[in-house]
Amino acid sequence: AQSVTQLGSHVSVSEGALVLLRCNYSSSVPPYLFWYVQYPNQGLQLLLKYTSAATLVKGINGFEAEFKKSETSFHLTKPSAHMSDAAEYFCAVSDQQGNQFYFGTGTSLTVIP
Amino acid sequence: SQTIHQWPATLVQPVGSPLSLECTVEGTSNPNLYWYRQAAGRGLQLLFYSVGIGQISSEVPQNLSASRPQDRQFILSSKKLLLSDSGFYLCAWSVLTGAWNEQFFGPGTRLTVL
Repeated sequence: AQSVTQLGSHVSVSEGALVLLRCNYSSSVPPYLFWYVQYPNQGLQLLLKYTSAATLVKGINGFEAEFKKSETSFHLTKPSAHMSDAAEYFCAVSDQQGNQFYFGTGTSLTVIP
Repeated sequence: SQTIHQWPATLVQPVGSPLSLECTVEGTSNPNLYWYRQAAGRGLQLLFYSVGIGQISSEVPQNLSASRPQDRQFILSSKKLLLSDSGFYLCAWSVLTGAWNEQFFGPGTRLTVL
């Protein structure tokens, strides 16, 4: 069975500082991993996805994530936080059939001016 | 291009009243469809998913039900709402692309049960 754990339900960073949002996965098979962003009262938008190609995945809005099999991690990073990055971020893993997605509990990112 | 619609956008209903939320997808065929609920301060809870017309899988036993009367239509219903049904309901679709799926989400429906 697949699952993801997001460490830290709330993260605060200063504008211009590094953003690091943590995600660890559990999967008995090679996983497909995703990061989504949710702005208030909106649906989720895909930031990036890992599908067993390059381990460093670049997404939209300057975000990237690195798949580390040895650490079962897929942490999301951005070198310099912007005020517009304030949102809820969800890590997700899908099963091999692609019928089900398992989401983490989310990390709320606050950017301090 | 594909788009996904949900309505209504917001809804306030009394306890014990019925519920019908609708989700439609355009620009794709035979998608997988999903209903999630997001309670305040919590993550996404998968409620139902469907891989085809009339095929519904329930993840959480509760007073909600789902139906898929058409290929690109997914409906979430309840005969009698509970206070605990309040939350943000998200519909999503996915299509197998190569060896993987990715999900695309609708704008959501904010349900408040009073």
